[in-house]
Amino acid sequence: GAVVSQHPSRVICKSGTSVKIECRSLDFQATTMFWYRQFPKKSLMLMATSNEGSKATYEQGVEKDKFLINHASLTLSTLTVTSAHPEDSSFYICSARGPSSYGYTFGSGTRLTVV
Amino acid sequence: DQQVKQNSPSLSVQEGRISILNCDYTNSMFDYFLWYKKYPAEGPTFLISISSIKDKNEDGRFTVFLNKSAKHLSLHIVPSQPGDSAVYFCAASGLRTSGTYKYIFGTGTRLKVLA
Repeated sequence: GAVVSQHPSRVICKSGTSVKIECRSLDFQATTMFWYRQFPKKSLMLMATSNEGSKATYEQGVEKDKFLINHASLTLSTLTVTSAHPEDSSFYICSARGPSSYGYTFGSGTRLTVV
Repeated sequence: DQQVKQNSPSLSVQEGRISILNCDYTNSMFDYFLWYKKYPAEGPTFLISISSIKDKNEDGRFTVFLNKSAKHLSLHIVPSQPGDSAVYFCAASGLRTSGTYKYIFGTGTRLKVLA
Protein backbone atom coordinates (compact mmCIF):
# COMPACT_ATOMS: atom_id res chain seq x y z
CA GLY A 1 0.00 0.00 0.00
CA ALA A 2 0.88 3.66 -0.10
CA VAL A 3 3.60 4.77 2.28
CA VAL A 4 4.51 8.16 3.61
CA SER A 5 7.87 8.22 5.33
CA GLN A 6 8.40 10.81 8.04
CA HIS A 7 11.80 11.48 9.53
CA PRO A 8 12.99 11.79 12.23
CA SER A 9 10.60 9.88 14.43
CA ARG A 10 11.95 11.50 17.53
CA VAL A 11 14.13 14.54 18.12
CA ILE A 12 15.33 16.45 21.13
CA CYS A 13 16.74 19.92 20.59
CA LYS A 14 17.82 22.90 22.63
CA SER A 15 15.78 26.07 22.87
CA GLY A 16 16.63 28.51 20.13
CA THR A 17 17.71 25.94 17.59
CA SER A 18 15.86 24.88 14.45
CA VAL A 19 14.59 21.43 13.60
CA LYS A 20 13.66 20.09 10.18
CA ILE A 21 11.13 17.32 9.73
CA GLU A 22 10.85 15.53 6.39
CA CYS A 23 7.83 13.89 4.86
CA ARG A 24 8.20 11.74 1.74
CA SER A 25 5.62 9.89 -0.29
CA LEU A 26 7.45 6.74 -1.32
CA ASP A 27 5.35 5.21 -4.05
CA PHE A 28 3.05 7.93 -5.25
CA GLN A 29 3.21 11.58 -6.12
CA ALA A 30 1.64 13.96 -3.69
CA THR A 31 0.90 17.42 -4.99
CA THR A 32 -0.64 18.29 -1.65
CA MET A 33 0.70 17.48 1.79
CA PHE A 34 -0.64 18.44 5.17
CA TRP A 35 1.07 19.10 8.46
CA TYR A 36 -0.67 18.39 11.73
CA ARG A 37 0.20 18.88 15.35
CA GLN A 38 -1.22 16.82 18.16
CA PHE A 39 -1.30 18.06 21.73
CA PRO A 40 -1.69 15.53 24.54
CA LYS A 41 -5.24 14.19 24.70
CA LYS A 42 -6.26 16.51 21.89
CA SER A 43 -7.23 15.91 18.31
CA LEU A 44 -4.95 16.39 15.34
CA MET A 45 -4.83 20.07 14.50
CA LEU A 46 -4.13 21.05 10.93
CA MET A 47 -1.26 23.51 10.81
CA ALA A 48 -0.81 24.07 7.11
CA THR A 49 -1.39 22.72 3.65
CA SER A 50 1.60 22.57 1.34
CA ASN A 51 1.32 22.43 -2.41
CA GLU A 52 4.19 21.43 -4.61
CA GLY A 53 5.87 24.43 -6.14
CA SER A 54 3.88 27.07 -4.29
CA LYS A 55 3.64 28.67 -0.88
CA ALA A 56 2.00 26.79 1.93
CA THR A 57 -1.41 27.79 3.22
CA TYR A 58 -1.36 28.21 6.98
CA GLU A 59 -4.30 27.78 9.30
CA GLN A 60 -5.36 30.62 11.50
CA GLY A 61 -3.13 31.07 14.50
CA VAL A 62 -0.14 29.21 13.03
CA GLU A 63 2.98 31.36 12.72
CA LYS A 64 4.35 31.20 9.21
CA ASP A 65 7.78 32.41 10.21
CA LYS A 66 8.05 29.88 12.95
CA PHE A 67 6.88 26.84 11.05
CA LEU A 68 8.52 26.99 7.65
CA ILE A 69 7.10 24.61 5.10
CA ASN A 70 8.74 23.73 1.82
CA HIS A 71 7.24 21.41 -0.79
CA ALA A 72 10.02 21.32 -3.34
CA SER A 73 9.03 18.17 -5.18
CA LEU A 74 6.06 15.89 -5.73
CA THR A 75 7.37 13.51 -3.11
CA LEU A 76 8.90 15.69 -0.43
CA SER A 77 7.62 18.29 1.99
CA THR A 78 9.59 19.63 4.94
CA LEU A 79 8.54 21.41 8.11
CA THR A 80 11.19 23.47 9.88
CA VAL A 81 10.50 24.61 13.40
CA THR A 82 12.62 27.70 13.78
CA SER A 83 13.96 29.07 17.05
CA ALA A 84 12.26 26.26 18.90
CA HIS A 85 10.86 26.82 22.37
CA PRO A 86 9.68 24.27 24.94
CA GLU A 87 6.06 25.06 24.06
CA ASP A 88 6.77 23.79 20.54
CA SER A 89 7.26 20.34 22.01
CA SER A 90 4.60 18.20 20.44
CA PHE A 91 3.83 15.35 18.07
CA TYR A 92 3.92 16.48 14.46
CA ILE A 93 2.37 14.38 11.70
CA CYS A 94 2.35 14.87 7.97
CA SER A 95 -0.06 13.40 5.50
CA ALA A 96 -0.24 13.30 1.77
CA ARG A 97 -3.31 13.28 -0.40
CA GLY A 98 -3.28 10.07 -2.33
CA PRO A 99 -2.99 7.71 -3.93
CA SER A 100 -6.78 7.83 -4.38
CA SER A 101 -8.51 11.16 -4.81
CA TYR A 102 -10.05 11.04 -1.36
CA GLY A 103 -7.41 9.06 0.43
CA TYR A 104 -5.00 10.49 2.91
CA THR A 105 -1.87 8.64 3.86
CA PHE A 106 -0.21 9.63 7.10
CA GLY A 107 3.41 9.59 8.10
CA SER A 108 4.43 7.93 11.35
CA GLY A 109 4.87 11.22 13.16
CA THR A 110 7.73 13.06 14.84
CA ARG A 111 7.95 13.55 18.58
CA LEU A 112 9.71 16.88 19.13
CA THR A 113 11.01 17.74 22.57
CA VAL A 114 12.57 21.15 23.09
CA VAL A 115 14.67 21.45 26.23
CA ASP B 1 -15.24 25.22 18.94
CA GLN B 2 -14.98 21.47 18.53
CA GLN B 3 -16.88 20.69 15.35
CA VAL B 4 -16.20 16.98 15.56
CA LYS B 5 -16.70 15.31 18.91
CA GLN B 6 -15.96 11.89 20.23
CA ASN B 7 -17.50 11.99 23.66
CA SER B 8 -16.15 8.67 24.87
CA PRO B 9 -12.43 8.91 25.53
CA SER B 10 -12.17 5.17 26.10
CA LEU B 11 -14.03 1.93 25.54
CA SER B 12 -13.38 -1.63 26.64
CA VAL B 13 -14.92 -4.58 24.83
CA GLN B 14 -14.57 -8.31 25.17
CA GLU B 15 -12.94 -10.16 22.30
CA GLY B 16 -15.52 -11.41 19.81
CA ARG B 17 -18.12 -8.85 20.80
CA ILE B 18 -19.11 -5.73 18.90
CA SER B 19 -17.27 -2.44 19.39
CA ILE B 20 -19.25 0.69 18.67
CA LEU B 21 -17.41 3.99 18.47
CA ASN B 22 -19.42 7.16 18.16
CA CYS B 23 -18.76 10.54 16.61
CA ASP B 24 -20.90 13.68 16.45
CA TYR B 25 -20.42 16.73 14.29
CA THR B 26 -21.95 20.17 14.22
CA ASN B 27 -21.30 21.47 10.72
CA SER B 28 -24.04 20.46 8.29
CA MET B 29 -21.71 21.31 5.39
CA PHE B 30 -19.53 18.29 6.10
CA ASP B 31 -20.01 15.80 3.32
CA TYR B 32 -17.26 13.25 3.79
CA PHE B 33 -16.27 11.33 6.86
CA LEU B 34 -13.41 9.04 7.72
CA TRP B 35 -12.26 6.82 10.51
CA TYR B 36 -8.60 6.43 11.35
CA LYS B 37 -6.86 4.03 13.67
CA LYS B 38 -3.74 5.01 15.55
CA TYR B 39 -1.28 2.88 17.48
CA PRO B 40 1.08 4.51 19.99
CA ALA B 41 4.06 6.31 18.43
CA GLU B 42 2.69 5.74 14.94
CA GLY B 43 0.76 7.91 12.52
CA PRO B 44 -2.93 7.31 11.93
CA THR B 45 -3.90 4.75 9.33
CA PHE B 46 -7.00 5.06 7.23
CA LEU B 47 -9.74 2.61 8.11
CA ILE B 48 -12.98 3.38 6.33
CA SER B 49 -14.85 6.33 4.90
CA ILE B 50 -18.37 7.35 4.00
CA SER B 51 -19.82 10.01 1.78
CA SER B 52 -22.88 11.98 2.83
CA ILE B 53 -24.89 10.42 -0.01
CA LYS B 54 -24.74 7.09 1.82
CA ASP B 55 -25.86 6.00 5.25
CA LYS B 56 -23.76 2.88 5.52
CA ASN B 57 -20.45 1.59 4.26
CA GLU B 58 -19.05 -1.80 5.05
CA ASP B 59 -15.55 -3.21 4.73
CA GLY B 60 -14.97 -6.59 6.27
CA ARG B 61 -15.37 -6.36 10.02
CA PHE B 62 -15.77 -2.59 9.88
CA THR B 63 -19.02 -0.78 9.17
CA VAL B 64 -19.60 2.94 9.35
CA PHE B 65 -23.11 4.31 9.77
CA LEU B 66 -24.04 7.90 9.04
CA ASN B 67 -27.14 9.62 10.39
CA LYS B 68 -27.19 13.02 8.73
CA SER B 69 -30.27 14.30 10.51
CA ALA B 70 -28.66 13.58 13.86
CA LYS B 71 -25.19 14.63 12.62
CA HIS B 72 -23.87 11.40 14.01
CA LEU B 73 -21.70 8.63 12.71
CA SER B 74 -20.57 5.41 14.27
CA LEU B 75 -18.02 2.74 13.59
CA HIS B 76 -18.93 -0.86 14.29
CA ILE B 77 -16.27 -3.52 14.59
CA VAL B 78 -17.55 -7.07 14.58
CA PRO B 79 -16.10 -9.29 15.88
CA SER B 80 -13.62 -7.27 17.91
CA GLN B 81 -10.09 -8.63 18.12
CA PRO B 82 -7.23 -7.77 20.52
CA GLY B 83 -5.31 -6.29 17.56
CA ASP B 84 -8.06 -3.72 17.21
CA SER B 85 -6.92 -2.09 20.43
CA ALA B 86 -5.87 1.42 19.41
CA VAL B 87 -7.09 5.00 19.37
CA TYR B 88 -9.77 5.67 16.77
CA PHE B 89 -10.27 9.11 15.29
CA CYS B 90 -13.19 10.21 13.22
CA ALA B 91 -12.69 13.07 10.79
CA ALA B 92 -15.06 15.15 8.74
CA SER B 93 -14.56 17.42 5.80
CA GLY B 94 -16.45 19.74 3.53
CA LEU B 95 -15.63 22.17 0.78
CA ARG B 96 -14.48 25.47 2.23
CA THR B 97 -15.07 28.87 0.69
CA SER B 98 -11.41 28.85 -0.31
CA GLY B 99 -12.15 25.91 -2.59
CA THR B 100 -10.09 23.54 -0.48
CA TYR B 101 -10.99 20.68 1.81
CA LYS B 102 -9.96 20.49 5.42
CA TYR B 103 -10.35 17.50 7.64
CA ILE B 104 -11.46 18.20 11.18
CA PHE B 105 -10.53 15.44 13.60
CA GLY B 106 -12.28 14.33 16.73
CA THR B 107 -10.30 13.85 19.94
CA GLY B 108 -10.21 10.09 19.60
CA THR B 109 -11.55 7.09 21.48
CA ARG B 110 -9.16 4.57 22.95
CA LEU B 111 -10.49 1.08 22.31
CA LYS B 112 -9.27 -1.81 24.36
CA VAL B 113 -10.30 -5.28 23.30
CA LEU B 114 -9.94 -7.75 26.14
CA ALA B 115 -8.88 -11.29 25.37
